[in-house]
Amino acid sequence: KQEVTQIPAALSVPEGENLVLNCSFTDSAIYNLQWFRQDPGKGLTSLLLIQSSQREQTSGRLNASLDKSSGRSTLYIAASQPGDSATYLCAVRLPNGGFKTIFGAGTRLFVKA
Amino acid sequence: EAGVAQSPRYKIIEKRQSVAFWCNPISGHATLYWYQQILGQGPKLLIQFQNNGVVDDSQLPKDRFSAERLKGVDSTLKIQPAKLEDSAVYLCASSSLSGHRTNYGYTFGSGTRLTVV
Repeated sequence: KQEVTQIPAALSVPEGENLVLNCSFTDSAIYNLQWFRQDPGKGLTSLLLIQSSQREQTSGRLNASLDKSSGRSTLYIAASQPGDSATYLCAVRLPNGGFKTIFGAGTRLFVKA
Repeated sequence: EAGVAQSPRYKIIEKRQSVAFWCNPISGHATLYWYQQILGQGPKLLIQFQNNGVVDDSQLPKDRFSAERLKGVDSTLKIQPAKLEDSAVYLCASSSLSGHRTNYGYTFGSGTRLTVV
């Protein structure tokens, strides 16, 4: 059974700091992995999607890596800003059974001005 | 492109009452999902539709929850009767499994926050 874990559960950093959020999954047989951002009381906004054949994806100050064999993904945020404060969730999509997606519980990030 | 539309945004009901949520996915997205997100947890899949057929409803509490997707477009999720533990955000998402590879991910709506008192 696929399980997704995100560490840490919460993180507080000063503005300008580079940071890494971690996501681990128990079964390396995945179709893709997606990172989302969720603001309080809002839905999920897709940040980056990495196909199973890819190693990383970049968008602006964000870089996501994927190591399927070790069951890990990291989201790197460069030069953090107060506007980055949100909950970040990773989700793995299974390659069969209707492409079911399993979410982690998220990392709550607070960037202090 | 227009996003996933959900209504209402908020709903407060008493336990044992019924409630319904509506979702309009992105045009052309064949797959539609309903998720339940309890505070402090990641979203949990309730039901997945492919066009108007159910692909996965293994985690849907069928004694009180029901969902339908008529004509493979809009969808409604109903709870009857509601319990206190149903208080959560109900998220609708849609996805396309064909076309450009970048569209293999999800697009989520803003969600409906349900409070059962």
